[in-house]
Amino acid sequence: EPEVTQTPSHQVTQMGQEVILRCVPISNHLYFYWYRQILGQKVEFLVSFYNNEISEKSEIFDDQFSVERPDGSNFTLKIRSTKLEDSAMYFCASSELGHQPQHFGDGTRLSIL
Amino acid sequence: TQLLEQSPQFLSIQEGENLTVYCNSSSVFSSLQWYRQEPGEGPVLLVTVVTGGEVKKLKRLTFQFGDARKDSSLHITAAQTGDTGLYLCAGAWWYYKLSFGAGTTVTVRA
Repeated sequence: EPEVTQTPSHQVTQMGQEVILRCVPISNHLYFYWYRQILGQKVEFLVSFYNNEISEKSEIFDDQFSVERPDGSNFTLKIRSTKLEDSAMYFCASSELGHQPQHFGDGTRLSIL
Repeated sequence: TQLLEQSPQFLSIQEGENLTVYCNSSSVFSSLQWYRQEPGEGPVLLVTVVTGGEVKKLKRLTFQFGDARKDSSLHITAAQTGDTGLYLCAGAWWYYKLSFGAGTTVTVRA
């Protein structure tokens, strides 16, 4: 069964450094999403992306965050200058159409030191 | 911000018993999805409900969407130890973003 894949599974970065999290959505899906889950808290929406532009973003998704679809298969989340509070699991998801069910990857655990 | 309240937070039952998990909101959903999440993994989709009053069955799991599309429930019949896990409900409103509940940790004892 097709799945969303994310790399790396674990990223350790010094505070203030840039980090790029990578995702390969399911191939025929057109909508892409990033969510995060801070340890012990709910899964939170960050951003949705369709047709090479952001559809919606949450208040968490400030100027330090950006997303990109650099080619036909990858979808990336960049954090420009990481803070300690960015430590979390980051999940990528995709859906065939906007109102279709979202399928999640296994996440990248981001640890900021 | 649309809030989804999930209850109970923890549920521990004996194998063979039934259980129900609830998901409630004051807002109307366009759709609601139930996921199961294992430690260190991403949420795995179990079912999507979109129509008020809809009931979907997945083997021993029964999912119900409230008539007003503000609430949902997950019922497991004759629970097995393999049903142990974290169950999440997630509601979609405008622009398809999902708002998640806090989850229900289900433990089925042998």
